[in-house]
Amino acid sequence: SYELTQPPSVSVSPGQTARITCSGDALPKQYAYWYQQKPGQAPVLVIYKDSERPSGIPERFSGSSSGTTVTLTISGVQAEDEADYYCQSADSSVSYQVFGGGTKLTVL
Amino acid sequence: EVQLVQSGAEVKKPGESLKISCKGSGYSFTTYWIGWVRQMPGKGLQWMGIIYPSDSDTRYSPSFQGQVTISADKSISTAYLQWSSLKASDTAMYYCARTDNLTGNAFDLWGQGTVVTVSS
Repeated sequence: SYELTQPPSVSVSPGQTARITCSGDALPKQYAYWYQQKPGQAPVLVIYKDSERPSGIPERFSGSSSGTTVTLTISGVQAEDEADYYCQSADSSVSYQVFGGGTKLTVL
Repeated sequence: EVQLVQSGAEVKKPGESLKISCKGSGYSFTTYWIGWVRQMPGKGLQWMGIIYPSDSDTRYSPSFQGQVTISADKSISTAYLQWSSLKASDTAMYYCARTDNLTGNAFDLWGQGTVVTVSS
């Protein structure tokens, strides 16, 4: 079955830039989506269609795509950004979606 | 208010059946897909499947095909996730979420989650 690969953890200091990657063979042809999940809460969509930001999401969140890798970038990281982040995309048949394994962002 | 409200926590024994629900309000329920997502304790998100309430078109992840049934009753704006015979490994938080063409296949609105505990 199709898989998306994320690093288990990323650590940054406040004010720095965090980059979280997600790799998958079908990503050149399929959109990717990113979610933030804080402990005890439902996930929140932060990026859709690779780089679009939903209303209400701070401008410091951005997304990009290059080949088989998509990247979530958080510029000027704040303590409140500490959370788990998941990417989502479709397999090449577009018949179902999958999530990446998740990345725990730690703000030092 | 636009929201998805899920049914309450469940405690079941292995082999029992279960149906949990997700009620949409504040928007046109039949014009958005509704999906289900599993999160096992301490683990990541797993995409289970989606349904289009307008015509009940349903898609499943290969990992969950045959293991669960997704359905919807558009007359009461409610989607369902059901099991015919629960296993201990079904213990998890289950979220419903909606998706639409504007955001592609992204889930832009989530329910609060339903905890399912399966234990003898």
